[in-house]
Order: sequence, then C-alpha cells, then structure tokens
Amino acid sequence: NAGVTQTPKFQVLKTGQSMTLQCAQDMNHNSMYWYRQDPGMGLRLIYYSASEGTTDKGEVPNGYNVSRLNKREFSLRLESAAPSQTSVYFCASSESRGINEQYFGPGTRLTVT
Amino acid sequence: AQKITQTQPGMFVQEKEAVTLDCTYDTSDQSYGLFWYKQPSSGEMIFLIYQGSYDEQNATEGRYSLNFQKARKSANLVISASQLGDSAMYFCAMREVGFYGGATNKLIFGTGTLLAVQP
Repeated sequence: NAGVTQTPKFQVLKTGQSMTLQCAQDMNHNSMYWYRQDPGMGLRLIYYSASEGTTDKGEVPNGYNVSRLNKREFSLRLESAAPSQTSVYFCASSESRGINEQYFGPGTRLTVT
Repeated sequence: AQKITQTQPGMFVQEKEAVTLDCTYDTSDQSYGLFWYKQPSSGEMIFLIYQGSYDEQNATEGRYSLNFQKARKSANLVISASQLGDSAMYFCAMREVGFYGGATNKLIFGTGTLLAVQP
C-alpha cells in the first residue's frame, strides 16, 4: 500500500497563478483533510471532507477550494496564488470510526513569489 | 475555544535517557481524544500514540507513553531510552468538538517541540 500520496512534491508559483495539489489514499478511508504548516504555527486545517461528496471549511479556508473527486482523491486548488500561501501542504486521511488517527502524505512545499 | 499548548520550543536529551514533552489542552467537552505525532526532518507526520478522555490507563506504545493528568488538562509524552532517531519535531493534537457537541474528526495541533537527542 502506498498510503497517502501527494503531487507535486515541490512547486514555485508567481503571484496570481493557479494550481491544484493532488492527493490520493489507498486505505479506503472515508475522511480526508488538507493542512498547511507554517514555521512556529503547527498544522492548521484548510478544508476537510468527512465522506465522499461532502466538504467543509477548516480554520484557514480563504484563498483555497477543494474537490472530493471520489473516495480516494481529494484535491486542493489555489485560484490566484499569493505570497502568504507559501507553506508546506499536507494531505491526510482517516477512518470515520475508532480513534480516527490521521495518516499523512509526504507534503508539498509551495513557494509563491 | 479549544486549544493545545506546547510550551517547550526545543529540548535536548542525552541518548538512552528519558525525556518528557509537555502538552496542555483546553476544552469544555467531557469526551475528547489526544494524539501525539512525530515529524522527522524528512517532513512526514507519523502517528505515535492516542489517549481517550475516558481511558483509565495511560496509553503506551513501545518506548512512548502518555502521562495523562485529566484534572490538570495535561497529556505529556514520555520517551524512554532516547535514540538518535528520536530527534524530530513532536506535535500534540486534540480532536475538535463539533458545533453541536461531540468529537469530530478534525484535529487541533499545538506548535510543536523540537527534540534533539545527543550522543
């Protein structure tokens, strides 16, 4: 099993450009999440999807959109990138029952210039 | 509002010694779950240990144990017999309470503690 995979691993964008971060999981998990990690701030939830067909905002959703394409895939889109969106982005997935520990992808390091 | 506080930005420990990483939390809910994750320099987040608020015993997983003191709202991670490979950032997290009460699957993270194990 690959677990949670993310593409790309690194990306540099100019201000105003758009891009989509891809995430897929092969653990048959119902719930998926997108976080951003900034120095000194821990991980903050951008959007999550409790199950296929549903999405909801997290703590820092502004400037982002998401699509739960199917049970496996959850993408994050930046429509008009800003320097404040320079960060490391993590996708995660979990069961919707039990202790719900989240399994994380390797992250995408995004720089917006 | 729920909050996780990790007051130690960085810690040093000698190899083979035990170390305690502090975590305090704030919640008004009676039912909650606490997690610890490890983030090595390679960047991935690795789940270490979980404690439920109604669990009577402190959680243990190999060399990791969670010192859960409910009245003090603390959930400290204890790593016994530290190894060089334990050098990493460690995050404490709590399951967020939903609008109508009850735990959600969303996690609230602390700011982390960077642990350096010295030979």
